[in-house]
Amino acid sequence: DAGITQSPRHKVTETGTPVTLRCHQTENHRYMYWYRQDPGHGLRLIHYSYGVKDTDKGEVSDGYSVSRSKTEDFLLTLESATSSQTSVYFCATTQDYSNQPQHFGDGTRLSIL
Amino acid sequence: GESVGLHLPTLSVQEGDNSIINCAYSNSASDYFIWYKQESGKGPQFIIDIRSNMDKRQGQRVTVLLNKTVKHLSLQIAATQPGDSAVYFCAEFTYNAGNMLTFGGGTRLMVKP
Repeated sequence: DAGITQSPRHKVTETGTPVTLRCHQTENHRYMYWYRQDPGHGLRLIHYSYGVKDTDKGEVSDGYSVSRSKTEDFLLTLESATSSQTSVYFCATTQDYSNQPQHFGDGTRLSIL
Repeated sequence: GESVGLHLPTLSVQEGDNSIINCAYSNSASDYFIWYKQESGKGPQFIIDIRSNMDKRQGQRVTVLLNKTVKHLSLQIAATQPGDSAVYFCAEFTYNAGNMLTFGGGTRLMVKP
């Protein structure tokens, strides 16, 4: 697997607070992704990165921002968390999005009360 | 562990039998397909992939079949074991769809000892 570490693994926080999730990879993959997984919706792309400082929006980007200052780290920030953002968040990486599979971390379970 | 879907279709098989999990994909222009396995509390794990210029690919105990005529993908697992119990889902990649993977909803495989 692609040596992906997500932190924290679990977090409980209150509505209106800022939250940052971290994804760290050791494979030097170019592309990194943030997904959320909810019952009935499957995996949905929030944001992705195609290089250091290069990011773009995915399907469900509202309320989220990302940053990638180093190849190995991709941060997902909820500026002001809402209960609708309670979910399991997965980070994924790949070196070639069209020819190689994305490899996933083990997720962060985020609960917003 | 996390629930990946409240109303997932479920396939129940006897240990030792072969399993066939199906996936209907949406875009006839999709170029690349991936099968993932997700165990409770874990991230999706890559199983096998196939490009659109192939109709069959084999791995260790797994075979993926691609029928582009009816936009259908299947995953066959030989001699199913209890450790194969998980949620399985397919993903498709299309060049002209924002260079993103689109994930199916998943099928839960339960292996009876």
